[in-house]
Amino acid sequence: KAGVTQTPRYLIKTRGQQVTLSCSPISGHRSVSWYQQTPGQGLQFLFEYFSETQRNKGNFPGRFSGRQFSNSRSEMNVSTLELGDSALYLCASREGANTEAFFGQGTRLTVV
Amino acid sequence: LAKTTQPISMDSYEGQEVNITCSHNNIATNDYITWYQQFPSQGPRFIIQGYKTKVTNEVASLFIPADRKSSTLSLPRVSLSDTAVYYCLVEDTGRRALTFGSGTRLQVQP
Repeated sequence: KAGVTQTPRYLIKTRGQQVTLSCSPISGHRSVSWYQQTPGQGLQFLFEYFSETQRNKGNFPGRFSGRQFSNSRSEMNVSTLELGDSALYLCASREGANTEAFFGQGTRLTVV
Repeated sequence: LAKTTQPISMDSYEGQEVNITCSHNNIATNDYITWYQQFPSQGPRFIIQGYKTKVTNEVASLFIPADRKSSTLSLPRVSLSDTAVYYCLVEDTGRRALTFGSGTRLQVQP
């Protein structure tokens, strides 16, 4: 069974631009969550989708948005990029609550 | 959400047993306790999950006392490759999102 796949692995963007990150979950997993990891703030929850619906949202500004498609693949979008958005963005998929979450390798975003 | 408290860092030597304790004083009845391991520039990896008493798998054991206000992850005979950050999480059964704390940075030396 293929693992969680995130694309691209690395990305460099300029302040003010927007970016879209992609996550393909493990087959059969309907829950996809996104996390931001920075040295200063650690691992922070962004949002979670289940069956194309956003079920939970973390404390991030509206510039951060996401969606999930009918095949459970998910995308995360960040608009009007700021330098502080530079981080490792991780996606995780799982079958349901209290089941093992499988993380992708992440997308390393650098905003210059 | 139940908040967790764990040591910032720990040091050990190869072959020793390492015990990392996590405090979660306001854990709710339906919450589970889960531990993840993370290496630099990689996503976290599930280690073990439990609700009460003791759980053991091929890599670790998880001890949870009766009051469930704390838990201890036990790693038997650690090796250099166990150097990583270990996160203790308390999961609300109604949520599928994971809330990570600061984690414990374990350094294993030869």
